[in-house]
Amino acid sequence: QKEVEQNSGPLSVPEGAIASLNCTYSDRGSQSFFWYRQYSGKSPELIMSIYSNGDKEDGRFTAQLNKASQYVSLLIRDSQPSDSATYLCAVGSQGNLIFGKGTKLSVKP
Amino acid sequence: NAGVTQTPKFRILKIGQSMTLQCTQDMNHNYMYWYRQDPGMGLKLIYYSVGAGITDKGEVPNGYNVSRSTTEDFPLRLELAAPSQTSVYFCASSYGGRGSNTEAFFGQGTRLTVV
Repeated sequence: QKEVEQNSGPLSVPEGAIASLNCTYSDRGSQSFFWYRQYSGKSPELIMSIYSNGDKEDGRFTAQLNKASQYVSLLIRDSQPSDSATYLCAVGSQGNLIFGKGTKLSVKP
Repeated sequence: NAGVTQTPKFRILKIGQSMTLQCTQDMNHNYMYWYRQDPGMGLKLIYYSVGAGITDKGEVPNGYNVSRSTTEDFPLRLELAAPSQTSVYFCASSYGGRGSNTEAFFGQGTRLTVV
């Protein structure tokens, strides 16, 4: 059974701080890795994708991938109250796209 | 640009009834997925398809069936609805180049209640 694990949280950070979200996966054959943001009652929205080891930056977001450790992370710099949501890690391999349970992030003004 | 369209948005079913959740995408994506999301939980993969005529089971396929006769459409069939199938259902699609998943885009979801 392929698994994707995340801390369920809630993770609470003050406005302007860095939020760090982590994810581990079980399938060594996984090839693609994604972070989605989901607001309550809404559908998931893609915020980052990463396919190779290392860091990928997009604005305030940085995704980090370490395939040897089977570990993916998302850093959110200068966190804003509007970043408060559930963040879902997803891992893909040959069509199969598995999600973690999500980490609920709360950014306090 | 429509993206991924799911219908209906809401539905109440009685135990034992059947229904089909419709999903269509206009992005010419190869890969399509059906997920269910229970309250406070993550997304569980029900079925997925890597192209027309090809479907495969995900983590929680029992009680569901799918078909993929065209690239655009990926309907999900519930036979003999049970209260355990009360959930929010999401359809998604992605390009899926070189045998690898690429970014998936989601429909608005269908909130299903079985009573």
